[in-house]
Amino acid sequence: EAQVTQNPRYLITVTGKKLTVTCSQNMNHEYMSWYRQDPGLGLRQIYYSMNVEVTDKGDVPEGYKVSRKEKRNFPLILESPSPNQTSLYFCASSLYGTGGDSNQPQHFGDGTRLSIL
Amino acid sequence: GQNIDQPTEMTATEGAIVQINCTYQTSGFNGLFWYQQHAGEAPTFLSYNVLDGLEEKGRFSSFLSRSKGYSYLLLKELQMKDSASYLCAVRDYKLSFGAGTTVTVRA
Repeated sequence: EAQVTQNPRYLITVTGKKLTVTCSQNMNHEYMSWYRQDPGLGLRQIYYSMNVEVTDKGDVPEGYKVSRKEKRNFPLILESPSPNQTSLYFCASSLYGTGGDSNQPQHFGDGTRLSIL
Repeated sequence: GQNIDQPTEMTATEGAIVQINCTYQTSGFNGLFWYQQHAGEAPTFLSYNVLDGLEEKGRFSSFLSRSKGYSYLLLKELQMKDSASYLCAVRDYKLSFGAGTTVTVRA
């Protein structure tokens, strides 16, 4: 089954304790992206990756890191989490990022709800 | 940058029609998407417009006017299961989302 898988689904942790949210897709998609979703603000892009070893900042990258060493995986790293990073996080992928077959929709993972105390 | 506006909330009756508007201002344009998101779940793709006009998909239709920076999503024959948030997203060099419109369908 074609899917985007995020882990963990839920996490409660404390300020300053490094954490990683994993994201994996099995559709051979080139483009992957991380979003956070907060009430009234909608989905805001944190980082995106057009392909392996190519990552770029989105709208709200501060406090986050990503890597894209393999096509299928795009982990989100919070080196020193803070309470303002408490949010619902979504990973998404699509065949291409822009141009070409740009009608390709993004497929979203089920989300990770992070609470940082 | 991008500015994408849509109403925060709408309420309609089962069986009725609801139109969700989306206006946008972007530096470029490479397509507009509509997604549906039920509470606590991931967004799912509904429709895509890149040329002006109406795209129809069963009970859902989406319209685009690039010159006006305007789109709408039309939901016909509303069902209770259509209660959800509807997200307008515009792609230039990346995909940006509006804050979403929460639609409540009442019996």
